[in-house]
Order: sequence, then C-alpha cells, then structure tokens
Amino acid sequence: NAGVTQTPKFQVLKTGQSMTLQCAQDMNHEYMSWYRQDPGMGLRLIHYSVGAGITDQGEVPNGYNVSRSTTEDFPLRLLSAAPSQTSVYFCASSSIAPTGELFFGEGSRLTVL
Amino acid sequence: GNSVTQMEGPVTLSEEAFLTINCTYTATGYPSLFWYVQYPGEGLQLLLKATKADDKGSNKGFEATYRKETTSFHLEKGSVQVSDSAVYFCALSNDYKLSFGAGTTVTVRA
Repeated sequence: NAGVTQTPKFQVLKTGQSMTLQCAQDMNHEYMSWYRQDPGMGLRLIHYSVGAGITDQGEVPNGYNVSRSTTEDFPLRLLSAAPSQTSVYFCASSSIAPTGELFFGEGSRLTVL
Repeated sequence: GNSVTQMEGPVTLSEEAFLTINCTYTATGYPSLFWYVQYPGEGLQLLLKATKADDKGSNKGFEATYRKETTSFHLEKGSVQVSDSAVYFCALSNDYKLSFGAGTTVTVRA
C-alpha cells in the first residue's frame, strides 16, 4: 500500500541552488497539496491542486512552483533556494478536496545552507 | 480569513490521566473541523473530524464536539496511554484549503 510517496526524504542545498521535491499518489485522488512544517507554526499551505492541469496558491507560495500534468504526480520546485526555506515539507492528497481525509506523505527534510 | 488557535504545549501527563487540548477557530461560512495526529518521524494522520455544528467526532477514545456558538473544537480523552504521545493538530477546511493550528506536543509517562 504505497499511498503518498515523497522523495527525497532528506536534502541539503546551498543558497541559490534549485531542486524538485517529488510527490506521487496511487489512490486516484483529485486533490493534492504541499505544506511546510516549521516549529511553533504548524503546517502552512504552499500550493494545491484540485485536478490535473489546475493549481493554485496557498498561504506561503513565494519561492515555490508547482505543476500537475497527471493525476498521480505533484512536484514542488524551488528555483533558487534560500535559508528561509529550510523546513520539513509534506505532500498530501484527498479524494474530496480537503473536506475529506487528507493522506500525508512521510515528509522531506530540506536544509538550505 | 481562516485561522486556528490551539493550546500551547508541551503537555506532560501520567498514564490514565485525562487529556484536553483546546482549539478555537475563525472562519467564514461553515467549515469542517479536524484533529490530526503526528507520531515521531511520521506524516500526519486523521484522528477525527466533524463536518457541521454539534457533530461529535470520535476515534481511539478521543472525542471532540463542533461548537459553533463558541467556535471551538476541543479534543478530549479520558484515560491516556504512553502510545498517545504525539503532536496533535487542530485544523479547519474551507474553500479547498486546510488551515492548521501550531500543534500541541503531548508526552505521556508510564
């Protein structure tokens, strides 16, 4: 039972480098989203998608890009990493927008030096 | 906009003690309310939910009631176990967005 799979689990970047966090789900969920988790701040929504070809911004979208070319995949791109983007990132999906249960990946810990 | 405020932790309890974590929210319209739990090194899992006023969500001995008049969704458990040690997040869903509280770390000692 794969569920939501995130890669990589750990990554260290230098300021200015770019990278992509991968997220894939095998539950045929229409809704997918990316959150970042920082101490004392809970989870904050970065971007979300309600279906293939449709994306929208969340609470903290600056510095991040997303695309949704297939139902299964929802990659998160950092074009020019900054130390403020050091965080733990979670991908989550749901069959019925977020009014149903959100299924989370195990997280990706990113450190930007 | 939407926001969730939950009780700050950390909370440390002895086994079989009563647990309550306060959660209040601000939202337009009629949001759905959730409690998620995060065990060490894992992603979040749904613990319980309520989709309309006066609904009670329950799971694994935990309960929370959607109180529209006080805009609250407090989490309770009558007798905690060591295995309940985790971070608990209150959340609300509105307009395709899920907003989380800051999280409350709960540690249960044997």
